Amino acid sequence: KNEVEQSPQNLTAQEGEFITINCSYSVGISALHWLQQHPGGGIVSLFMLSSGKKKHGRLIATINIQEKHSSLHITASHPRDSAVYICAVQASGSRLTFGEGTQLTVNP
Amino acid sequence: EPEVTQTPSHQVTQMGQEVILRCVPISNHLYFYWYRQILGQKVEFLVSFYNNEISEKSEIFDDQFSVERPDGSNFTLKIRSTKLEDSAMYFCASSPTDGHNSPLHFGNGTRLTVT
Repeated sequence: KNEVEQSPQNLTAQEGEFITINCSYSVGISALHWLQQHPGGGIVSLFMLSSGKKKHGRLIATINIQEKHSSLHITASHPRDSAVYICAVQASGSRLTFGEGTQLTVNP
Repeated sequence: EPEVTQTPSHQVTQMGQEVILRCVPISNHLYFYWYRQILGQKVEFLVSFYNNEISEKSEIFDDQFSVERPDGSNFTLKIRSTKLEDSAMYFCASSPTDGHNSPLHFGNGTRLTVT
């Protein structure tokens, strides 16, 4: 069974700051997903990656398969980035195993 | 951009009643999923569905639960006899492949409250 640990659980930043959220998992995976959950509950997929690095706008996701670790970075953070960021991993099957999420608050 | 739609957004039911949660996945997607999130907890996998049959299910998905794709567009989750502990947000998701090569698209969820 794959355990997914995220850190920190809560993160408060000032607008403009560089933010890093970390995710570690215990068992080998085929894909890792970063998701964003807004206060209303809706979930949006940000990245799906299995190696290396991906960038979309101000968001960057990296993964180190050997170390079983991934990071999500937000550059030039903005209050609209405030949300819960969730790491989820996928092994050989179709199910995703989710982390607890990181509550990010960006203050103006 | 096409999206996954779920209805209703909120369902209140009494313990022991049957509920059906409805989802319309993105039209060219082939894989369909149900996940749930109990308030304050992490999202949990329930079931995946491909080619008109269950491809994987979790320990949570017992005989009280069933899924169906009745007409080629809707994807439903039925809970036969609801319990208080079934109260949660239920998310439907779809993807063109099994998720290893493409991200999942989630609906906005149905909040189920069992009283």
